[in-house]
Amino acid sequence: EVQLVESGGGLVQPGGSLRLSCTASGFTLNSYWMHWVRQVPGKGLVWVSRISPEGYGTTYAESVKGRFTISRDNAKNTLYLQMSSLRDEDTAVYYCARDPVRGLIVHWGQGTLVTVSS
Amino acid sequence: QTVVTQEPSFSVSPGGTVTLTCGLSSGSVSTNSYPTWCRQTPGQTPRTLMYNTNTRSSGVPDRFSGSILGNKAALTITGAQADDESVYYCVLYMESGTVVFGGGTKVTVL
Repeated sequence: EVQLVESGGGLVQPGGSLRLSCTASGFTLNSYWMHWVRQVPGKGLVWVSRISPEGYGTTYAESVKGRFTISRDNAKNTLYLQMSSLRDEDTAVYYCARDPVRGLIVHWGQGTLVTVSS
Repeated sequence: QTVVTQEPSFSVSPGGTVTLTCGLSSGSVSTNSYPTWCRQTPGQTPRTLMYNTNTRSSGVPDRFSGSILGNKAALTITGAQADDESVYYCVLYMESGTVVFGGGTKVTVL
């Protein structure tokens, strides 16, 4: 069974940094594109970033470009999101998600809450 | 920046049929956009129902079907049930390599 478990969320001050992790099990991580998606409580889903299976190809939403970095350690079956220069508007539940062999986002983690506040 | 458009809300009677659509503020949706449909009920994790336009995720009943209608992607629910009440999101892949979610369609069954 495919499982994605996020961790690393919490309370951080504006301007601060945080690293999220997503531990994968039930499949071989190095075969799939992976994403981070976020959701402000009560609002819609917003795509954040995407990374290729080997880690060399990455894309970002304009709102996080230059501040967030997606990466992966396939040997550890773990996806990461390094977030810096955090703003109030980055407050959200962050989900990691996996593509199918061909296509977009078929599996979701349970999410981790990031709160940016002084 | 390209916006993915969805109807804000839809109401359907139990047993009825509803078709949700997913378009682009500029251009047409094709299978090259890998249209994906997810749904989410309040307090729950999102769940993908349909990907690659018309491939149902594991465990999704065949009451759900996906297609391209004209210049939009579409998700049709036939025989609507009470537990189909949810917010349905469309997701599209862009040529730039980015991904965009639509704003979601709130479906009410009554």
